[in-house]
Amino acid sequence: NAGVTQTPKFQVLKTGQSMTLQCAQDMNHNSMYWYRQDPGMGLRLIYYSASEGTTDKGEVPNGYNVSRLNKREFSLRLESAAPSQTSVYFCASSEGRADSGNTIYFGEGSWLTVV
Amino acid sequence: QKEVEQNSGPLSVPEGAIASLNCTYSDRGSQSFFWYRQYSGKSPELIMSIYSNGDKEDGRFTAQLNKASQYVSLLIRDSQPSDSATYLCAVALWGYNKLIFGAGTRLAVHP
Repeated sequence: NAGVTQTPKFQVLKTGQSMTLQCAQDMNHNSMYWYRQDPGMGLRLIYYSASEGTTDKGEVPNGYNVSRLNKREFSLRLESAAPSQTSVYFCASSEGRADSGNTIYFGEGSWLTVV
Repeated sequence: QKEVEQNSGPLSVPEGAIASLNCTYSDRGSQSFFWYRQYSGKSPELIMSIYSNGDKEDGRFTAQLNKASQYVSLLIRDSQPSDSATYLCAVALWGYNKLIFGAGTRLAVHP
């Protein structure tokens, strides 16, 4: 059981380039999330999707777009990468809503460096 | 004021001791509380969740919740070097489908 799978694991981008982080889960979960983690700042929510076809902004959505392609897949796109977007990105999923006590499971992370 | 606050540490404890990790939160509408463990270079993994006031025990781990004082804590008994990691406190607000994380407390258990 793979759980939450993210690709790529490592990526170096030049300022202004675009890229898409891919995420897929095989747990038949309804909710999916994208977080970023920076030193000393913990995990911050970028976007989330409560169900297929819906997406909502989190705490730090600027500079990002998302697509909930189907129930399994939730992608994160950087249209014009900036050095401030250098971070570790985690995709996560949960069976139901976080405020209903559902556990959120994380992927292994994607290390992105923008130079 | 940050929504979820943790002491960044490091918290250093000897092997076999009790490690006490604390977390405070600002929103009284907070409904569900989680402790995640994160090893360096790895993803967070759930240790415990707690929803009601009081204590919840799972093996060497005990989570404690006090909604009136707006804090949640994690006790690790008989600490082992393998417990050395960053511990993240996370809170879910009622009506919001998301977890808000603290910055984490780094725990170091020395032999």
